[in-house]
Amino acid sequence: GENVEQHPSTLSVQEGDSAVIKCTYSDSASNYFPWYKQELGKRPQLIIDIRSNVGEKKDQRIAVTLNKTAKHFSLHITETQPEDSAVYFCAALDSGAGSYQLTFGKGTKLSVIP
Amino acid sequence: DAGVIQSPRHEVTEMGQEVTLRCKPISGHDYLFWYRQTMMRGLELLIYFNNNVPIDDSGMPEDRFSAKMPNASFSTLKIQPSEPRDSAVYFCASSPWRGALEAFFGQGTRLTVV
Repeated sequence: GENVEQHPSTLSVQEGDSAVIKCTYSDSASNYFPWYKQELGKRPQLIIDIRSNVGEKKDQRIAVTLNKTAKHFSLHITETQPEDSAVYFCAALDSGAGSYQLTFGKGTKLSVIP
Repeated sequence: DAGVIQSPRHEVTEMGQEVTLRCKPISGHDYLFWYRQTMMRGLELLIYFNNNVPIDDSGMPEDRFSAKMPNASFSTLKIQPSEPRDSAVYFCASSPWRGALEAFFGQGTRLTVV
């Protein structure tokens, strides 16, 4: 099955700086890569996703890049703000396999220091 | 739509007792998932349903865990008998599939087994 590794497990940045979280996956058939944000005590919520036919996707201050050859993808947050503080999870899915099993990374706790 | 609704939000029970967690998915979503979240293991998929049929329960830790989906608007996750190591946050999520792969999570049930 799929295995998703996520690094770092914790990340502290100064407000206004950029944050980068990296994930690797093992199944070359995976073709969908979402990122979820989970604030303390809340539910995980999708913030951005990318499919394997795209190398990069941006949405305001967040962007995701995908390198299918190397089997890794990254989340980039620019101009970080205190409200970006949360746990971020990457995930991978092979949507063509006829099943729907999102495999999550272990999460990155991001702290933005004002 | 109120989103995915889980009950109860918090559950404290004694070891050996039966625990039933409940979930109402978003109307029209064909897929329903049960996840368990712990600090050590992150978000683990326990089981998922497609059109009320269990598709993959390989993540269910042991026979003490069972899940049902009697109709499109209701699912239960039962633990009998419960053990302290079952303490975790249990999330239910649903997804429409059909090109939209986002999983919408409920607020979760925080289970404490003492």
